[in-house]
Amino acid sequence: DAKTTQPNSMESNEEEPVHLPCNHSTISGTDYIHWYRQLPSQGPEYVIHGLTSNVNNRMASLAIAEDRKSSTLILHRATLRDAAVYYCILIYGGSQGNLIFGKGTKLSVKP
Amino acid sequence: DGGITQSPKYLFRKEGQNVTLSCEQNLNHDAMYWYRQDPGQGLRLIYYSQIVNDFQKGDIAEGYSVSREKKESFPLTVTSAQKNPTAFYLCASSNLISNQPQHFGDGTRLSIL
Repeated sequence: DAKTTQPNSMESNEEEPVHLPCNHSTISGTDYIHWYRQLPSQGPEYVIHGLTSNVNNRMASLAIAEDRKSSTLILHRATLRDAAVYYCILIYGGSQGNLIFGKGTKLSVKP
Repeated sequence: DGGITQSPKYLFRKEGQNVTLSCEQNLNHDAMYWYRQDPGQGLRLIYYSQIVNDFQKGDIAEGYSVSREKKESFPLTVTSAQKNPTAFYLCASSNLISNQPQHFGDGTRLSIL
């Protein structure tokens, strides 16, 4: 099974950019890279996803390495509301039922 | 507004008792999922359903049961066979098109009395 590796925790200052890394060295050619985030006592929230090319949306940007063995979620200007656990997930087999959540990265944002 | 509603937010179970957690969605999604989350851990898949009257076991289905009689509803029963049921339970839904994001409810926290 394709797995992801993320740092346990990261810190950032408010209004500064944040780069959250994810390693997925066993990714297969058809795996998409998804990112979710979870605030305390809430359900996860979808952030962004991509396959090969870099992606941007209103919440964040996703930079995918050329060999696809790693990716980086970029929050351009961190706010206090961005403090959460961020999960990097590979979706494989074309089946949504196979989502595997690791422990994620706990992001702290300092004012 | 469209979304997923889980109820109750908090639930207490006595030893040997079955309890049912409710999950309703009005997003017209075909697929629905149940996850369990323990403190400091990621989510683990219990059951999922891609169509009415059909569902598949996830990684930790033992001690749990589900039904999918309506597209909008996917209730989860935690049976007495589940020896360690204290956890945060999350329901999600998505379109069946591959790689569409899952939408999550706000969860039910189950505790044993």
